[in-house]
Amino acid sequence: GESVGLHLPTLSVQEGDNSIINCAYSNSASDYFIWYKQESGKGPQFIIDIRSNMDKRQGQRVTVLLNKTVKHLSLQIAATQPGDSAVYFCAETYHNFNKFYFGSGTKLNVKP
Amino acid sequence: NAGVTQTPKFRVLKTGQSMTLLCAQDMNHEYMYWYRQDPGMGLRLIHYSVGEGTTAKGEVPDGYNVSRLKKQNFLLGLESAAPSQTSVYFCASSYVPGGAYNEQFFGPGTRLTVL
Repeated sequence: GESVGLHLPTLSVQEGDNSIINCAYSNSASDYFIWYKQESGKGPQFIIDIRSNMDKRQGQRVTVLLNKTVKHLSLQIAATQPGDSAVYFCAETYHNFNKFYFGSGTKLNVKP
Repeated sequence: NAGVTQTPKFRVLKTGQSMTLLCAQDMNHEYMYWYRQDPGMGLRLIHYSVGEGTTAKGEVPDGYNVSRLKKQNFLLGLESAAPSQTSVYFCASSYVPGGAYNEQFFGPGTRLTVL
């Protein structure tokens, strides 16, 4: 997964720029992945998902890329807005009752 | 729809006290989960349930018990609270048609402090 520890990695971007958040997942057998957004004091919120038979999926302003060879997932946010400021988690699962394993998160800070 | 709700939102316990956290969902989801989130870390699965009357252990089950007597409710119990259980607790539910994967819907969390 992502960096583990007490200090979240932080990405600071200017409003309007594109953001790329990365995640290294742990299990080569994982075949479904989700990106969640967590705002301060709230529960995680679904952003976008991707299955292992795909390498790219696009949503509204967001794109997820999956590289199974190196077990890497990325989230791209286009034209980042102040409302995008949050902690972003990747989560993986594999054939086990929809149980997800979460990375430790990346904090996105959008500067106006 | 209220989605996933959690009660209480905040709680302070003394070491050795017991309490129950309540999770309720109105989406008719079969699967429900309890997670804990510690500072600077992702969510870790405590227990989960794949249907009414069933429960199973997750990654960090020690010190916790759960019950799923009704499909819409999933209770998390701490029998004898310890300072190491100070955390934010999240409940989630999901609809998993035909065993396929699907997103989990999360509640707003319960912030628990054990002194």
